[in-house]
Amino acid sequence: AQSVAQPEDQVNVAEGNPLTVKCTYSVSGNPYLFWYVQYPNRGLQFLLKYITGDNLVKGSYGFEAEFNKSQTSFHLKKPSALVSDSALYFCAVRSAGSYQLTFGKGTKLSVIP
Amino acid sequence: NAGVMQNPRHLVRRRGQEARLRCSPMKGHSHVYWYRQLPEEGLKFMVYLQKENIIDESGMPKERFSAEFPKEGPSILRIQQVVRGDSAAYFCASSPSQDGTDTQYFGPGTRLTVL
Repeated sequence: AQSVAQPEDQVNVAEGNPLTVKCTYSVSGNPYLFWYVQYPNRGLQFLLKYITGDNLVKGSYGFEAEFNKSQTSFHLKKPSALVSDSALYFCAVRSAGSYQLTFGKGTKLSVIP
Repeated sequence: NAGVMQNPRHLVRRRGQEARLRCSPMKGHSHVYWYRQLPEEGLKFMVYLQKENIIDESGMPKERFSAEFPKEGPSILRIQQVVRGDSAAYFCASSPSQDGTDTQYFGPGTRLTVL
């Protein structure tokens, strides 16, 4: 079985400050990890993924995520938040033998001007 | 390069009616996944299809729900005799292969409201 936890329902950060959205996972075998962003009444947009290799993954819009195998975490980060980053962020995991993505419940990010 | 397309974007049905949701994958993608998003929750996997084949339907409710991906045309998610609990956003995703490393790209979703 595979699962994802996003421990924070909401994260508030001031514009220009660094942001972190947390994600931990549980999966059998090697994990494939993904971050998506959802704007109101829209579909999910792919941000970045970790498959193998370098633990720091860089993605769209200046976002990056760090894979930590010992802590089974894949936190999303950005050095300087923009108001336009305000949205719902989903972490997802997929094991090598699975077709389906398992999503966390999402974290609402609010960037305050 | 057009993304994943879904229609209709909004669908209103009365209890007992049928709902048909359509999904056209990205060009070059032959693998389609359906997910459901209930209010205040993350997405839940429903079914994975390739052309003319259902590969994994482990997330589909046993009754009233069915899915297909014919040789020609879009993938269809069909909900018969809808009930209020079916109200949700239904998202389709596509990928170029079944490789777990492939990214699944999502459509804009169909928001189903059951009155």
